[in-house]
Amino acid sequence: RKEVEQDPGPFNVPEGATVAFNCTYSNSASQSFFWYRQDCRKEPKLLMSVYSSGNEDGRFTAQLNRASQYISLLIRDSKLSDSATYLCVVNPRGTDTGFQKLVFGTGTRLLVSP
Amino acid sequence: DAGVTQSPTHLIKTRGQQVTLRCSPKSGHDTVSWYQQALGQGPQFIFQYYEEEERQRGNFPDRFSGHQFPNYSSELNVNALLLGDSALYLCASSLAGLTAKNIQYFGAGTRLSVL
Repeated sequence: RKEVEQDPGPFNVPEGATVAFNCTYSNSASQSFFWYRQDCRKEPKLLMSVYSSGNEDGRFTAQLNRASQYISLLIRDSKLSDSATYLCVVNPRGTDTGFQKLVFGTGTRLLVSP
Repeated sequence: DAGVTQSPTHLIKTRGQQVTLRCSPKSGHDTVSWYQQALGQGPQFIFQYYEEEERQRGNFPDRFSGHQFPNYSSELNVNALLLGDSALYLCASSLAGLTAKNIQYFGAGTRLSVL
């Protein structure tokens, strides 16, 4: 079983739609969680961290369910510029060292059309 | 504030050759991690350097080695290149000693093609 699993998509949605991505992780000791965005042939860029209480940043909402080892990302009112690959990222190590080893899912591709 | 810079941006090598990739971390960062991203896959962790030492290593053979310099910049060396080493190599920098919410920032990567 992969450490981080995502549906690769692609998800094809019209502008203005709401779309949700899900991700599961296998290491129950994982401590920190992120969503990164990667545009075609570019580097990954942090979209948002994911906290147990859930967090929102504008049109983006991230949720973490530790019991189910499940992370989600919701995008409301999709824009053409949201078209990208969304990478679910987990740090499986303990947090006290400050040394992160990020484990990435394969990414979910989103295509927003006019 | 300069971000993470990597060089070269593209590289073409043949099987059996050796390659060195370079990375300068974001200003103020002291930890450098290297990742390999094959086409259609997520990045995979190679190793991480802090205080000029390898602190963590992923599941990569000894052909992959690295170095960190006193100015925190880093090199990734790959010996005896295989066709399967063709990928985007990403460098990420961060600051050690913070909490789990410490963030890694990525450079634009070096695209390596092995023929």
